[in-house]
Amino acid sequence: DAKTTQPTSMDCAEGRAANLPCNHSTISGNEYVYWYRQIHSQGPQYIIHGLKNNETNEMASLIITEDRKSSTLILPHATLRDTAVYYCIVSSGGSNYKLTFGKGTLLTVNP
Amino acid sequence: DAGITQSPRHKVTETGTPVTLRCHQTENHRYMYWYRQDPGHGLRLIHYSYGVKDTDKGEVSDGYSVSRSKTEDFLLTLESATSSQTSVYFCAISEFRDTPYEQYFGPGTRLTVT
Repeated sequence: DAKTTQPTSMDCAEGRAANLPCNHSTISGNEYVYWYRQIHSQGPQYIIHGLKNNETNEMASLIITEDRKSSTLILPHATLRDTAVYYCIVSSGGSNYKLTFGKGTLLTVNP
Repeated sequence: DAGITQSPRHKVTETGTPVTLRCHQTENHRYMYWYRQDPGHGLRLIHYSYGVKDTDKGEVSDGYSVSRSKTEDFLLTLESATSSQTSVYFCAISEFRDTPYEQYFGPGTRLTVT
């Protein structure tokens, strides 16, 4: 699976959009981009995933560049409860689906 | 929230004793996973299961064994606990589909080996 690079930490004001970047320059054609988050002391939570096209669900939007070498997770209106570590993961999925978690980005939403 | 429970939620044990952690799901998902999380290492996969009695090793499987005799239960056993196995253990589940799918995580078990 391709390696990802994320900033160690970011801050965001409550009510503003939070844009979390991820670089995955070695991604291959069959690999998906996944985003998870982990609120302090809880288990990780799935947010969204995508292959080529931009994706949106009730939690967030995922923007993938045309060359697929980077992506951005967007939380449109961040709240204090969105303070968490956000993990960007690249995986080909498949029948033995495994995830490799890096260190992620600590997003702190400030009042 | 996905129906995943882990037991016990907290455990303190002594070096050399056996320990079994249980993960129970009510979702009837085929895949189950055990991860450990330590400061500075993030989450690391210990073992996973792709069906009843079908298991395989992850990246940090030494010192751990697993069993899955029923779809809903996945047990992680430390045959002889060591201090290096002090960690937070997370169970996860997922379902097989033709397209990649998400994993749902349990609340975690905090294990301290003294």
